[in-house]
Amino acid sequence: AQSVTQPDIHITVSEGASLELRCNYSYGATPYLFWYVQSPGQGLQLLLKYFSGDTLVQGIKGFEAEFKRSQSSFNLRKPSVHWSDAAEYFCAVDGGFKTIFGAGTRLFVKA
Amino acid sequence: GAGVSQSPSNKVTEKGKDVELRCDPISGHTALYWYRQRLGQGLEFLIYFQGNSAPDKSGLPSDRFSAERTGESVSTLTIQRTQQEDSAVYLCASSLGGIGEKLFFGSGTQLSVL
Repeated sequence: AQSVTQPDIHITVSEGASLELRCNYSYGATPYLFWYVQSPGQGLQLLLKYFSGDTLVQGIKGFEAEFKRSQSSFNLRKPSVHWSDAAEYFCAVDGGFKTIFGAGTRLFVKA
Repeated sequence: GAGVSQSPSNKVTEKGKDVELRCDPISGHTALYWYRQRLGQGLEFLIYFQGNSAPDKSGLPSDRFSAERTGESVSTLTIQRTQQEDSAVYLCASSLGGIGEKLFFGSGTQLSVL
């Protein structure tokens, strides 16, 4: 069965610093991988997704993610965090018509 | 409509009562999902529909939970004999239905069981 692990419950970074949110998945083949963001008072929004091709995927709001098959990972990165990036981030996997989400990582941004 | 619509946005009920939550997906979206998000927790998969059939009901927590969908339209999630642990935000999402399709989420129904 497919599953997703986000090891960090919360992360705090300074505004302007770089960010990396970790995600590990479990699935027999290469699944579709996603990152969604849930901002305070807003619904869930897709940041980016990966299935095949270039293992470095660009998304909205300056985010990118790198797929590493050998590590079953799909970590989300951003070179310079803005205060408006404070939100809950969810990694998700779709291996066959069902999207399963990780527990989420809450990002705090300090001035 | 323009987006996924859920109603009510908030529901307060007494323990033991039944509740019905509604989801209107984006027109043309064949797949529809229900998730539960408890306070401070991630999204817990409940059930998904492809058209009006539910190939995967594995996430429904107990037989008090049921869901149905009319064609490729409205879905209702029913919780019978509600318990306090049912308190959560219930999120609905829809997609075009293929593997790996982006999910479009509604704003959710905040359910509080007193």
